[in-house]
Amino acid sequence: DVKVTQSSRYLVKRTGEKVFLECVQDMDHENMFWYRQDPGLGLRLIYFSYDVKMKEKGDIPEGYSVSREKKERFSLILESASTNQTSMYLCASRGMASGYEQYFGPGTRLTVT
Amino acid sequence: GEDVEQSLFLSVREGDSSVINCTYTDSSSTYLYWYKQEPGAGLQLLTYIFSNMDMKQDQRLTVLLNKKDKHLSLRIADTQTGDSAIYFCAEISLPGNTPLVFGKGTRLSVIA
Repeated sequence: DVKVTQSSRYLVKRTGEKVFLECVQDMDHENMFWYRQDPGLGLRLIYFSYDVKMKEKGDIPEGYSVSREKKERFSLILESASTNQTSMYLCASRGMASGYEQYFGPGTRLTVT
Repeated sequence: GEDVEQSLFLSVREGDSSVINCTYTDSSSTYLYWYKQEPGAGLQLLTYIFSNMDMKQDQRLTVLLNKKDKHLSLRIADTQTGDSAIYFCAEISLPGNTPLVFGKGTRLSVIA
């Protein structure tokens, strides 16, 4: 059974703190993605990675960075959290086999106060 | 660029069929997906179809693809209260090295 896990379901941080969101997949997928989801705005892509040590900016990369040192792990970093980064963060992974099925983690609800 | 459009809301009575619609713009070979998101959870992949197919059935779910109109639908037979969720349509163009393009999601409400 496919599995994408995220380090926390709920997280509360203070403005200015550095925040790490971790995502791990066990499917040996090449591609990994970070999205944020806000009411009325749908899913917005922050960053993605096609391979270890590779990263590409998505639609809204400002205020975020990522790290992919191992194939199974993709980290999202908020260098200095701000209240407008309060959101639901979703990680996903996708293989390159037929179907290109993409699987999501359970999400992390981040609140920045 | 690619775009995926969905209506935002749908309300049906328990036991009826639900039909959720989606339109897309990419005309090349593509995979099209349906995801379900329950409150506070991640997205769950329900099913997908390749653009050379017209229909795919999986238990209560039927996906219909009209390539000429670039229209995709998800039919849920015998809709239950547990089907209440947001349903996302998404597409990817081959060779598959780009992110999925998602619609904004359709909120399905099932009335008992």
